[in-house]
Amino acid sequence: ETGVTQSPTHLIKTRGQQVTLRCSSQSGHNTVSWYQQALGQGPQFIFQYYREEENGRGNFPPRFSGLQFPNYSSELNVNALELDDSALYLCASSLPNPGIHEQFFGPGTRLTVL
Amino acid sequence: SQQGEEDPQALSIQEGENATMNCSYKTSINNLQWYRQNSGRGLVHLILIRSNEREKHSGRLRVTLDTSKKSSSLLITASRAADTASYFCATDAETGNQFYFGTGTSLTVIP
Repeated sequence: ETGVTQSPTHLIKTRGQQVTLRCSSQSGHNTVSWYQQALGQGPQFIFQYYREEENGRGNFPPRFSGLQFPNYSSELNVNALELDDSALYLCASSLPNPGIHEQFFGPGTRLTVL
Repeated sequence: SQQGEEDPQALSIQEGENATMNCSYKTSINNLQWYRQNSGRGLVHLILIRSNEREKHSGRLRVTLDTSKKSSSLLITASRAADTASYFCATDAETGNQFYFGTGTSLTVIP
């Protein structure tokens, strides 16, 4: 197992609500990336945080936002939830530039939007 | 849209056989990585190959990269039941801090 933890494990929300997902990065890693994985699909890159700043973003609307804290843990916030937001949300920590460094993934948070 | 696509989508083999899965991507890359995922859990990094490399080995894994064809292949030799999982290729965009996973190959190794 990696040292990356995510909470909660499972979450059920209704359309229009807001949700906050949390991720604790592996010791020594200052970069956190978030991914959305729909059932049967590959993970889709949401955004990346490096030293508390957003450092890259995928094709997701502004209602997907995030934070990174001084201890490099991170939050993913999703406002105005839609049914299509139902997915497994994965966070991964790494050294800077996950393109050249191994990413360590957490177990994920499974979000269901009703 | 996702950067990569794996082929085949699903593969079923007997234990001891070799498994080959392919990945195609769309734009120029710096590096390509392969990850494995068990049953909707977190992903585990397997191997990274740089754009100036053509082949790389790690244990029972062999990865090739053909940048002219924008494709890569992952070979797992002497497969085991424990290799049953989904396998994804992942690439970084040559420009910008973005990271793309493919659609995945679901591998089943029958004991």
